[in-house]
Amino acid sequence: DIQLTQSPSTLSASVGDRVTITCRSSQYISSWVAWYQQKPGKAPTLLIFKASTLQSGVPSRFSGSGSGTEFTLTISNLQPDDFATYYCQQYYTYYTFGPGTKLEIK
Amino acid sequence: EVQLVQSGAEVKKPGESLKISCKASGYTFTSYLIAWVRQMPGKGLEWIGLIYPYYSDARYSPSFQGQVTISVDKSISTAYLQWSSLGASDTAIYYCARLSDNNPSAYYGMDVWGQGTTVTVSS
Repeated sequence: DIQLTQSPSTLSASVGDRVTITCRSSQYISSWVAWYQQKPGKAPTLLIFKASTLQSGVPSRFSGSGSGTEFTLTISNLQPDDFATYYCQQYYTYYTFGPGTKLEIK
Repeated sequence: EVQLVQSGAEVKKPGESLKISCKASGYTFTSYLIAWVRQMPGKGLEWIGLIYPYYSDARYSPSFQGQVTISVDKSISTAYLQWSSLGASDTAIYYCARLSDNNPSAYYGMDVWGQGTTVTVSS
């Protein structure tokens, strides 16, 4: 099984900050990573697929990078609407989600 | 508008059966796959399985194989997730989601999600 870890598990930041979330895979997964945002009581929404391709309609302050086993999601100029939990997902073999990173207001 | 609308919350007793639904609209149902994802209380996301509506071909996560059944009714653009015997550990929110393909090179993420169905199993 491919396992994903995310760091940090919780991140405190302020509006206007730039933050980075890291997702690491237990095995090589090429660029087959997606990122999702989930707000309390809501379904996840797709932000990025293929490690760095922004989903249509997602603000350009979101960006993704990485390949192989290490991936990052960066959010520039944090907005109030960005405080949520973020999950990475691998789709190299089946589908696995990371444990999530909760982005909180400092 | 492309959307997936799921059936309402369920409260069941251990050992009971259940079938929840996910109705698609706004796109050609058979042109996309449907996945099911579990979220246990206060926890993260877990992929349960997916189905190719065109072929009614379902694939399952090894963790859920034999525990649930995924099916579709193409005539009403609806996917289903069912249990024959629920347990307390099935208490969770279940989401359906649309995906373009099961092949990584043609996968563009789970781009449309249902609102979730809360299943509570308690004696």
